[in-house]
Amino acid sequence: DIVMTQSPDSLAVSLGERATINCKSSQSVLYSSDNKNYLAWYQQKPGQPPKLLIYWASTRESGVPDRFSGSGSGTDFTLTINSLQAEDVAVYYCQQFYSTLYTFGPGTKLEIK
Amino acid sequence: QVQLQESGPGLVKPSETLSLACAVSGYSIINNSYWGWIRQPPGKGLEWIGTIYHSGSTYYNPSLKSRVTMSVDTSKNLFSLRLSSVTAADTAVYYCARRVVTTAGPGWFDPWGQGNLVTVSS
Repeated sequence: DIVMTQSPDSLAVSLGERATINCKSSQSVLYSSDNKNYLAWYQQKPGQPPKLLIYWASTRESGVPDRFSGSGSGTDFTLTINSLQAEDVAVYYCQQFYSTLYTFGPGTKLEIK
Repeated sequence: QVQLQESGPGLVKPSETLSLACAVSGYSIINNSYWGWIRQPPGKGLEWIGTIYHSGSTYYNPSLKSRVTMSVDTSKNLFSLRLSSVTAADTAVYYCARRVVTTAGPGWFDPWGQGNLVTVSS
């Protein structure tokens, strides 16, 4: 299994500031044949299902505000939220789809300071 | 646009079989997509259960494989999950989702249904 870890477990950021969430995979999710990282990010607000934010590690889903960005390659990835808004309070998950045994990170809870 | 809606009982007795269906609307289930189930125990993270193609081809999480059966009903545009011999540890919100097919093959889950809380209790 590819084990996904995230850090921190939770963080509190002031409105308008930047939030940074890290995700690490136990093995590389970079597929050499197409040079793509098989990693997605989701946002889950209380009482709602997860919502896709980013795929291929850095491609923003249509309709997702551009303050959300993804970066990284291989085993280390970052989700950055610039200019934090109140509606960004949520739990954020990374997920690898390199292996057909799909695995998610444990989640990072983002709150307003 | 594609929408998914889970249905099924909210309470299942220990040792019995959990059965859920996921109705797909706005999109044909035989289009080039896989369909998946993911669960989330209360207050915890996400666990992939399995994925199915309209042809019936399946991929299951090895940790659940012995108890999971997924199927597709193309005439009703829905797919289903059965999980046998349930225990309290199977209490969770069960989500269905479309697993996107990319040019490379594997893809992400989008969109997701609203979820169906299933409690295992006598």
